[in-house]
Amino acid sequence: DVKVTQSSRYLVKRTGEKVFLECVQDMDHENMFWYRQDPGLGLRLIYFSYDVKMKEKGDIPEGYSVSREKKERFSLILESASTNQTSMYLCASSLRGGNTNTQYFGPGTRLTVL
Amino acid sequence: GQNIDQPTEMTATEGAIVQINCTYQTSGFNGLFWYQQHAGEAPTFLSYNVLDGLEEKGRFSSFLSRSKGYSYLLLKELQMKDSASYLCAVRKNSNYQLIWGAGTKLIIKP
Repeated sequence: DVKVTQSSRYLVKRTGEKVFLECVQDMDHENMFWYRQDPGLGLRLIYFSYDVKMKEKGDIPEGYSVSREKKERFSLILESASTNQTSMYLCASSLRGGNTNTQYFGPGTRLTVL
Repeated sequence: GQNIDQPTEMTATEGAIVQINCTYQTSGFNGLFWYQQHAGEAPTFLSYNVLDGLEEKGRFSSFLSRSKGYSYLLLKELQMKDSASYLCAVRKNSNYQLIWGAGTKLIIKP
């Protein structure tokens, strides 16, 4: 089974703090994604990566950066957390090839910025 | 622009059948996904359609009409554990990105 893990289920930070969210997958997937999920909105893509050290902006990259130094690990960084970044953050991974490129999700990190 | 529409909430009775619709308007199409998401948990993959027609998988079936920009997820013999949100997502092209609907919250009553 594909396993995607995230470093924390719940996180509380203060405005202005630097925040690191870690994601690790164990299925040798090339693609990794960071989304945020807010009530009434669909999943919104922040960044994705299709290979080590490669990254592409998604729909809402402002205020975020990412790092992919190893294939299995994709980190999301909030340089200076703000209250409007309070949200559920979901990491996903998928194969590059194949017919479907199904995305498999981690359990999510619920971040609250005070 | 890109748009995916699903009903916000639906209610159904245990043992019954429910159909959750999804309509999409995107600048490209390369497959449609359905995911299930229980409250507080991660989305899990249910089905994938890229050609027109019905794909059946146990109690769940998914249908696609590309000409109409329309899909539905059919759940039969509903169980209480089917209470969840159901997310529709479209892949526009081959660059792996998905466009997501807001999800349909399905409430199952005894």
